[in-house]
Formats: sequence, structure tokens, C-alpha cells
Amino acid sequence: DTAVSQTPKYLVTQMGNDKSIKCEQNLGHDTMYWYKQDSKKFLKIMFSYNNKELIINETVPNRFSPKSPDKAHLNLHINSLELGDSAVYFCASSPSQGAYGYTFGSGTRLTVV
Amino acid sequence: QQQVKQSPQSLIVQKGGISIINCAYENTAFDYFPWYQQFPGKGPALLIAIRPDVSEKKEGRFTISFNKSAKQFSLHIMDSQPGDSATYFCAASRNTNAGKSTFGDGTTLTVKP
Repeated sequence: DTAVSQTPKYLVTQMGNDKSIKCEQNLGHDTMYWYKQDSKKFLKIMFSYNNKELIINETVPNRFSPKSPDKAHLNLHINSLELGDSAVYFCASSPSQGAYGYTFGSGTRLTVV
Repeated sequence: QQQVKQSPQSLIVQKGGISIINCAYENTAFDYFPWYQQFPGKGPALLIAIRPDVSEKKEGRFTISFNKSAKQFSLHIMDSQPGDSATYFCAASRNTNAGKSTFGDGTTLTVKP
């Protein structure tokens, strides 16, 4: 029973398209995150939600829009995809918005061609 | 401004040896220091973590050493095994910043049989 699950695992799409990535956690955690891992494996936070409320919004293009319908789900929609958006996107969760360890999903590898 | 600096970038160790990865941080407000292990194609997994009220934490073959005055912490892997070959990330977060973790750039560990 996967704790943090992301779909799809792989996403190949053309420039200019719109795509979504979905994330679900069954840990009962209050806080969820989106992280981007680039080709050099650097991990950078994009967004965080605590109990459906957006609490972290890093400097990310407006083409990226997160949505949290409930505290167990966090989705990421990307408009007008660009080549530079190619990366692995990780969803993660933590018990609350304090300083705790994360449980990561297995990632979505996005390739924009 | 990179808030968490990790070294070395890559590390090769013989089976049975000790692997040591170091991290230095700048923000004295950080109060949670986890280490994550990432295998290819997988998300990072929480390995071990420490809070600044202790100087060392050990879990099995993995030990974190923490030096608050030097603003440094390190991961020691005793009796390193080929199965430990992975990318390791240090991170730091503070309770008052919505749980946002800042990650080091990662260390690729290879344990040779």
C-alpha cells in the first residue's frame, strides 16, 4: 500500500501542451509539497499546502498551478509546457507544517519535446 | 545564496569501509537536519535525522554527527555495502518556516565490492 503515490510515472509531451500530475497520500499527513529535481539531481521546492491551504509558493512561473482538493491530494497543472520544464517532479508529505521529515512519492519524469 | 552546502559531490568507498558525507549550513534558525537516500528511479527516502539539542544520533550503521557551533553536520556510514550505493542528500528546515526543507546538492556514493 503506497504511502505517497504519483501519477503518471512518465510523461512525454510536446512544447505548448498542458499537462497535470496527481498525488495522493494515505499517511494522514497535513502538509504536502511539490519538489522539482533537475538533471543534476538538485531538489528545489515549488509549492506547499497545509490542510488544503497554500503556504509556500516559491518563485515558479505562473504556468504552474497547484491545487489541493483535500489534505490527502495535491495536483500540479502545467500550462504551455516548455523544454526547460523537463525534470522529475516529486510530491512529498509531512505530518504538519513544522520541521519534520518528508515521505516522497516515486516521482513523475516529465520530458518536453 | 546556497543555504546548505554538501560535499563531496561523489564518493567511492570499498566494501566494509566508512563513508563520510559533510554538510554545512548558514541559517542558525534551522532546527531539523535530515538525511535522505535516493536510488535511481525512486524518490528520496528519509534515512536519519537530528535536532540541534543532541550532537550525535545513531541508527544501525548510519550515524549523524552534529556540530552546532561550526554549523556543520555529517553522515557516517559504517561497514559500507554495495547496496548503500545511492545518492545522499542532506537537508535543513526550521519549525517556523512551514516545514520547508532546503536540500544540499547531493552526493553520489559508490561502494565497490
